[in-house]
Amino acid sequence: QSALSQPRSVSGSPGQSVAISCTGTNSDVGGYNYVSWYQHHPGKAPKVMIYDVTKRPSGVPGRFSGSKSGNTASLTISGLQAEDEADYYCCSYAGNSVIFGAGTRVTVL
Amino acid sequence: VQMVESGGVVVQPGGSLRLSCVASGFNFDHYTMHWVRQAPGKGLEWVSYVTGDSRGAYYADSVKGRFTISRDNNRYSLYLQMNSLRAEDTALYLCTRDTHMVYFDFWGPGTPVTVSS
Repeated sequence: QSALSQPRSVSGSPGQSVAISCTGTNSDVGGYNYVSWYQHHPGKAPKVMIYDVTKRPSGVPGRFSGSKSGNTASLTISGLQAEDEADYYCCSYAGNSVIFGAGTRVTVL
Repeated sequence: VQMVESGGVVVQPGGSLRLSCVASGFNFDHYTMHWVRQAPGKGLEWVSYVTGDSRGAYYADSVKGRFTISRDNNRYSLYLQMNSLRAEDTALYLCTRDTHMVYFDFWGPGTPVTVSS
């Protein structure tokens, strides 16, 4: 049950787009369409941004989108804003188990 | 919807602890509930989940055989019995509601556990 692989950090200027990858195996990311993404500001509860690979909960801005190809899922933030600076974690169902990604720090330059 | 964890303390290696999570504002027995932890300076780590009817309980390899998850739907409460604690179990422990297959829509603030001599 190793953590899903995510880049340690990504950065971009306001208005730019950034993408965070989340790589697993065919036993987790590749085996199910149950990948979610969480935004985590220190000291606050994680907030779900994407679920079921591509679905966006109500209230989450449209600039957040999710996708998946094979064993790799991705979260894209289009039109980066200052308040998007946070840690982001992917999460996958893995058959009676759950695996989180190692986390990616998004920095808005 | 609200969840509040409690029970976190400083405990010696090899010791035991029971965490609680009291929920309100929703039909507790309709939801699978999870424990997730975050060690200092580290990322989120899934610990365990239990189905709404308690028929299914599952664990991360790192805690299997040492931790036991349970729930009391009448008390709207989720529990985590932690035995044979190790230094690497030191973390903030959070409970979260699973609306649909790792769609965790509400989280508690967490309770800190420190395993140290």
